[in-house]
Amino acid sequence: EAQVTQNPRYLITVTGKKLTVTCSQNMNHEYMSWYRQDPGLGLRQIYYSMNVEVTDKGDVPEGYKVSRKEKRNFPLILESPSPNQTSLYFCASSPLGVQGFTDTQYFGPGTRLTVL
Amino acid sequence: GENVEQHPSTLSVQEGDSAVIKCTYSDSASNYFPWYKQELGKRPQLIIDIRSNVGEKKDQRIAVTLNKTAKHFSLHITETQPEDSAVYFCAARAFISNFGNEKLTFGTGTRLTIIP
Repeated sequence: EAQVTQNPRYLITVTGKKLTVTCSQNMNHEYMSWYRQDPGLGLRQIYYSMNVEVTDKGDVPEGYKVSRKEKRNFPLILESPSPNQTSLYFCASSPLGVQGFTDTQYFGPGTRLTVL
Repeated sequence: GENVEQHPSTLSVQEGDSAVIKCTYSDSASNYFPWYKQELGKRPQLIIDIRSNVGEKKDQRIAVTLNKTAKHFSLHITETQPEDSAVYFCAARAFISNFGNEKLTFGTGTRLTIIP
């Protein structure tokens, strides 16, 4: 089944304790992205990747890191989490069309992170 | 960068009536406008999209219209049903470099409630 998976789905942690949220897709999509969703603010892009070893900042990259060593995986790393990073996180992937543009984004199930 | 405004933030509609959600965007170079539906506790899923070379697109009870001159696009849902209750997000895709990098900016969402 074609899908985007994220792990963990729920995480409660404490300030300063490094964590990684994994994202994996089995659709051979070039484009992958991380969003955070907060009430009243919609979906805000954290980082995105147009292909392997190509990553770039979105609107709210501060406090986050990403890597894209393989096409299928795009982990989100919080080196020193803070309470303002408490949020619902979504990973998404999309194929690139013939002109190199993204198309439909397929979202993962989400990771609810609480930083105490 | 691109700015997408979405209105209203909440909308209650009697079952069977129509619902309209409106979005405006700022970057005249944006060329792809998807709409995502997010049911409670679920991931966002694409319901319809429109490209800048088209003024209107329909899919059964859902339609999207685009006015490039005014830089706004709207989602129309006719004959609303209880299962249409969800949060709806509009988005606009803009290109941010000459190397094909692009960015999808989301609106802040509209919570649609269908009253039986």
